Amino acid sequence: GENVEQHPSTLSVQEGDSAVIKCTYSDSASNYFPWYKQELGKRPQLIIDIRSNVGEKKDQRIAVTLNKTAKHFSLHITETQPEDSAVYFCAASRGNTPLVFGKGTRLSVIA
Amino acid sequence: DAGVIQSPRHEVTEMGQEVTLRCKPISGHDYLFWYRQTMMRGLELLIYFNNNVPIDDSGMPEDRFSAKMPNASFSTLKIQPSEPRDSAVYFCASSFLGGFNEQFFGPGTRLTVL
Repeated sequence: GENVEQHPSTLSVQEGDSAVIKCTYSDSASNYFPWYKQELGKRPQLIIDIRSNVGEKKDQRIAVTLNKTAKHFSLHITETQPEDSAVYFCAASRGNTPLVFGKGTRLSVIA
Repeated sequence: DAGVIQSPRHEVTEMGQEVTLRCKPISGHDYLFWYRQTMMRGLELLIYFNNNVPIDDSGMPEDRFSAKMPNASFSTLKIQPSEPRDSAVYFCASSFLGGFNEQFFGPGTRLTVL
């Protein structure tokens, strides 16, 4: 089955700097790659997703890139703000199978 | 729609007691998922349903865990008997068309087994 590895497990950045979180997946048939943000004590919520027919997607300060050949995808957050501090999860799916989540990255944005 | 609803939000019980967690998915969603979240193991998928039918329960840790979905608007996760290692946050999530679309998570139930 699918296996998703996520790095780093923790990440600290200065406010205004960029943050990058990387994930690799094992199933070459996976075609849907969402990212979830979980604030402390809250539920995970989708922030951006990408499907296998595109290589990059942007939404304001966040972007996701996908390299299907290498089987990895990344989340990029620019101009980080304190409210970006949270745990971020990547996930992968074939579409007809449930999402497989990475272990999460705890991002701390230091003001 | 109010989103995915879970109850109770917090549950404290003693080892050996039966625990029942409840979930109401978003109306119209055909998939329902139960997850367990701990610091050590992250987000674990326990079981998921499609159109009220259990599809894969391979993530259920032991026979002490069971889940049902009697209709499209209600699901339960039961632990009997509960043990301290079951302490975790349990999330229910629902989606339309399974793993190819956004999963909407409920607020979670924080379970503490003493």
